[in-house]
Amino acid sequence: GAVVSQHPSRVICKSGTSVKIECRSLDFQATTMFWYRQFPKKSLMLMATSNEGSKATYEQGVEKDKFLINHASLTLSTLTVTSAHPEDSSFYICSAIGLVGQSSYEQYFGPGTRLTVT
Amino acid sequence: EDQVTQSPEALRLQEGESSSLNCSYTVSGLRGLFWYRQDPGKGPEFLFTLYSAGEEKEKERLKATLTKKESFLHITAPKPEDSATYLCAVQKRNDYKLSFGAGTTVTVRA
Repeated sequence: GAVVSQHPSRVICKSGTSVKIECRSLDFQATTMFWYRQFPKKSLMLMATSNEGSKATYEQGVEKDKFLINHASLTLSTLTVTSAHPEDSSFYICSAIGLVGQSSYEQYFGPGTRLTVT
Repeated sequence: EDQVTQSPEALRLQEGESSSLNCSYTVSGLRGLFWYRQDPGKGPEFLFTLYSAGEEKEKERLKATLTKKESFLHITAPKPEDSATYLCAVQKRNDYKLSFGAGTTVTVRA
């Protein structure tokens, strides 16, 4: 149980284009999903918190117009990187919280999406 | 200000050589402390959650403990497949967000 998937696993796009990353909870309903960014050999940096049916809450310094988040259902959240630039190249990871087992506080992570902007 | 500090940054072990990783934290209103394992190019894999001082949890060769100021992840008789980055994170009461430490990269040589 508690499986989170991401699609695509890798994407290469040209500068100025937009790219969408999907995050799905496969075997549980995720009331809240999180989006993180991770630079090489660095820890995870929280970008935003996404609640189903409401607007995402962004962390300080994260541009909400650049990183569009939509939590359309209890199993799907999407992150769209708009007008991507090379500095947006990174490893993007989502996580989800739901009623899994005995705890509703544990976050389960997706496998990550490697974005390269050329 | 909340802080999560992991040490050491890197740990090189011989197969079978037990050791411990440290996660010290300063957070107001701790709900839980989480340990994750991350392999290169992959998302973090959940290991343990600890909620109160004195609590211990075990999984195979790993054992996590918690005090009011720090947590330890003990690796007993490690194998090469235990090589990974181990991340510690804290969660505050009334908030589901996790604040991560920088991680400890463990390399186990056969």
